[in-house]
Amino acid sequence: DVKVTQSSRYLVKRTGEKVFLECVQDMDHENMFWYRQDPGLGLRLIYFSYDVKMKEKGDIPEGYSVSREKKERFSLILESASTNQTSMYLCASSQDRGGTEAFFGQGTRLTVV
Amino acid sequence: GESVGLHLPTLSVQEGDNSIINCAYSNSASDYFIWYKQESGKGPQFIIDIRSNMDKRQGQRVTVLLNKTVKHLSLQIAATQPGDSAVYFCAEIPNSSGGFKTIFGAGTRLFVKA
Repeated sequence: DVKVTQSSRYLVKRTGEKVFLECVQDMDHENMFWYRQDPGLGLRLIYFSYDVKMKEKGDIPEGYSVSREKKERFSLILESASTNQTSMYLCASSQDRGGTEAFFGQGTRLTVV
Repeated sequence: GESVGLHLPTLSVQEGDNSIINCAYSNSASDYFIWYKQESGKGPQFIIDIRSNMDKRQGQRVTVLLNKTVKHLSLQIAATQPGDSAVYFCAEIPNSSGGFKTIFGAGTRLFVKA
């Protein structure tokens, strides 16, 4: 069974903290994505990666960075967490371009206080 | 700008009835349209997709219809079951994105009444 695993289901962090969200996939997929999900706004793409050490900005990259040192792992980093980054974060992976047949993790609900 | 929108944020149907979830999109140059289902506490799950050169595609109890003339996408669920209760997202993949960027709609919550 294919799997995308996010390291935490719930996180509470303080304003200004550096936050790491980890994602691991076991499907040997080339592409990995980070989205945030907010009510009424759907899923918005933060960053994606189509290969190890490669990364591309999505629609809302400000305040975030990513790291992909290994094919199976894609990390999202909040350099200095702010309250407007309180959200549900979803990681996904896919073999094909465009996220067709994308597989999502269960999500990390991050609260910044 | 590019956007994918939904006509109704909430849909309530009786168990056993058919459900139709509608979606309007604005980018006429997209290769794929996709429907995802998100159950409470889970990430979105791929249901079905359709290429831009098709107007209908059927899966198990689901049918996706694409009307490019009016830029409309719909998901039909036959004999709706309680397990179909979820949020459904339509999504499109514009050609201009190189196939990487998926644009999601805001979602429709489907309630199935017993």
